[in-house]
Amino acid sequence: SQQGEEDPQALSIQEGENATMNCSYKTSINNLQWYRQNSGRGLVHLILIRSNEREKHSGRLRVTLDTSKKSSSLLITASRAADTASYFCATDPFRGSSNTGKLIFGQGTTLQVKP
Amino acid sequence: DTAVSQTPKYLVTQMGNDKSIKCEQNLGHDTMYWYKQDSKKFLKIMFSYNNKELIINETVPNRFSPKSPDKAHLNLHINSLELGDSAVYFCASRPSWGQGGNPYNEQFFGPGTRLTVL
Repeated sequence: SQQGEEDPQALSIQEGENATMNCSYKTSINNLQWYRQNSGRGLVHLILIRSNEREKHSGRLRVTLDTSKKSSSLLITASRAADTASYFCATDPFRGSSNTGKLIFGQGTTLQVKP
Repeated sequence: DTAVSQTPKYLVTQMGNDKSIKCEQNLGHDTMYWYKQDSKKFLKIMFSYNNKELIINETVPNRFSPKSPDKAHLNLHINSLELGDSAVYFCASRPSWGQGGNPYNEQFFGPGTRLTVL
């Protein structure tokens, strides 16, 4: 079954507003990552939060992690038209000593920021 | 530029044909991956190689065969293409422990190859 599931699937906001995307997962994790995908492009890593962290910031991005609820959220503040993209969460499942680097991706949230 | 590159960017072919997609990274990473992204944007891992050794092999039909001639290259060969193989295929890489900068599995993606099987 799919590990990461994003919510909502699509989000449309005005420039300047904040955008919040949520991700839920099923198993224990080492870390959770958020990636952005512009239309027709590859994924770009945005931010990583480790399982022992609860919140992390990077510029206009704020990520929270609640391991008890197996959920994470990505907040983009003061959104810009250039933030229009799909956003994916990816979990790095806990596998003991094994670290193959296998990430489990959700289906993403498509964000449209209108100028 | 340092990056993960893939060729071709677009590939249109008939059912039953055999095709290859190539991936190269000049980031000096040890580990490389192939992902498949379907029409609903669901991204699923297919294979991973670490220093030319296969370390992840998901439930993928035998028609798909990865080949890593060296740690900078990971190619994907697909035999007897089917309609359901139509998707965008992404190559990615990541450094291993000790390579510096990323012990936590951040991956670097190529631009993707859009495969259309007619």
